Amino acid sequence: ETGVTQSPTHLIKTRGQQVTLRCSSQSGHNTVSWYQQALGQGPQFIFQYYREEENGRGNFPPRFSGLQFPNYSSELNVNALELDDSALYLCASRLGGPNYGYTFGSGTRLTVV
Amino acid sequence: AQSVTQLGSHVSVSEGALVLLRCNYSSSVPPYLFWYVQYPNQGLQLLLKYTSAATLVKGINGFEAEFKKSETSFHLTKPSAHMSDAAEYFCAVSERGSQGNLIFGKGTKLSVKP
Repeated sequence: ETGVTQSPTHLIKTRGQQVTLRCSSQSGHNTVSWYQQALGQGPQFIFQYYREEENGRGNFPPRFSGLQFPNYSSELNVNALELDDSALYLCASRLGGPNYGYTFGSGTRLTVV
Repeated sequence: AQSVTQLGSHVSVSEGALVLLRCNYSSSVPPYLFWYVQYPNQGLQLLLKYTSAATLVKGINGFEAEFKKSETSFHLTKPSAHMSDAAEYFCAVSERGSQGNLIFGKGTKLSVKP
């Protein structure tokens, strides 16, 4: 198993800019989710993709968007960055249904200045 | 809406002492339940999960958790703490019949004193 890898590990952006975060999941993991973890908080669900279609979304505005590709990679795009978007962004994937549990990547630390 | 409560944002134990981290969920229908550990500057690692088989679940690194429906609880325990257990621990639930997204508690930071 290669695990879940995320890039970049750290990123600094200016308010108003756009950012793309990338994730490479394990082969066969058809479900991928993205989470935002603010400092000192638990991860918050952003959205989930299954076989390249979004099938679940948390309480995040439309400027948070994503894509999933057939090669088990995915992206999180955030437009019009705000200071409060500063957080650790975690990608997670799973092999089967909800009872499987997710495998998480190490995250991308985004700082918006 | 489903919620997860972790009592105690910070727990400190001595090396060799019992570790008890508390987690309660709000759903009337037992969800899938998970414990994850997060070491500094890392992602989350699955410790164990409850998916409706045995109520006492054994995980990695000597941790175990017991599902108690009557108490809506899923507390994490380890008989003897090790210095390497110092980390942040998150309890998470996934509602049955949902797409399986995780709802996390706020986390409990475990410190282990020599």
